[in-house]
Amino acid sequence: IAGITQAPTSQILAAGRRMTLRCTQDMRHNAMYWYRQDLGLGLRLIHYSNTAGTTGKGEVPDGYSVSRANTDDFPLTLASAVPSQTSVYFCASSAASGYYNEQFFGPGTRLTVL
Amino acid sequence: GQNIDQPTEMTATEGAIVQINCTYQTSGFNGLFWYQQHAGEAPTFLSYNVLDGLEEKGRFSSFLSRSKGYSYLLLKELQMKDSASYLCAVTDSNYQLIWGAGTKLIIKP
Repeated sequence: IAGITQAPTSQILAAGRRMTLRCTQDMRHNAMYWYRQDLGLGLRLIHYSNTAGTTGKGEVPDGYSVSRANTDDFPLTLASAVPSQTSVYFCASSAASGYYNEQFFGPGTRLTVL
Repeated sequence: GQNIDQPTEMTATEGAIVQINCTYQTSGFNGLFWYQQHAGEAPTFLSYNVLDGLEEKGRFSSFLSRSKGYSYLLLKELQMKDSASYLCAVTDSNYQLIWGAGTKLIIKP
């Protein structure tokens, strides 16, 4: 692995179903992020983690949860999917969460909720 | 509230120069990033400015004026592969990135 991987690449999901999007990085970065990207809107932060064992809420956290059990993995869970959660989801990481926090992005997961 | 404004779309000719502007109003400022995003792909880092002035990197340059809440990305000698969206993002007082909606750049032969 080189960089950040996400799985699945795409998914069609029935409303009300539970879904976990996976994200793994091999750069030993401390900070990780989940964004959603919708047409005409900028990337919006869902949740973040500044270091393993800690998580925080971003701009649009409702309906999503995360965990950070170790440095490499940062899964995003939709407990009960709704159509408004149809979006492209990007996982990102950065070496640190402070002043200079260049973020590296995974390839994205395209999720459709019907 | 926090706000970052960029033009939605711009068109330019291959070989020409284009300037993409970004204005911001955020709670605090700890730097400004420009990212490139090709259709269907992830954003990739282009530049970072934290002090006023121009940063040059090959065909791409980025300028920042903190007093005006303004930045631009300058692309020279445009190539067809430069067709992409360009995202402006500001690190706020909580060290979170606030993103603009992006500028879609269309390059014509």
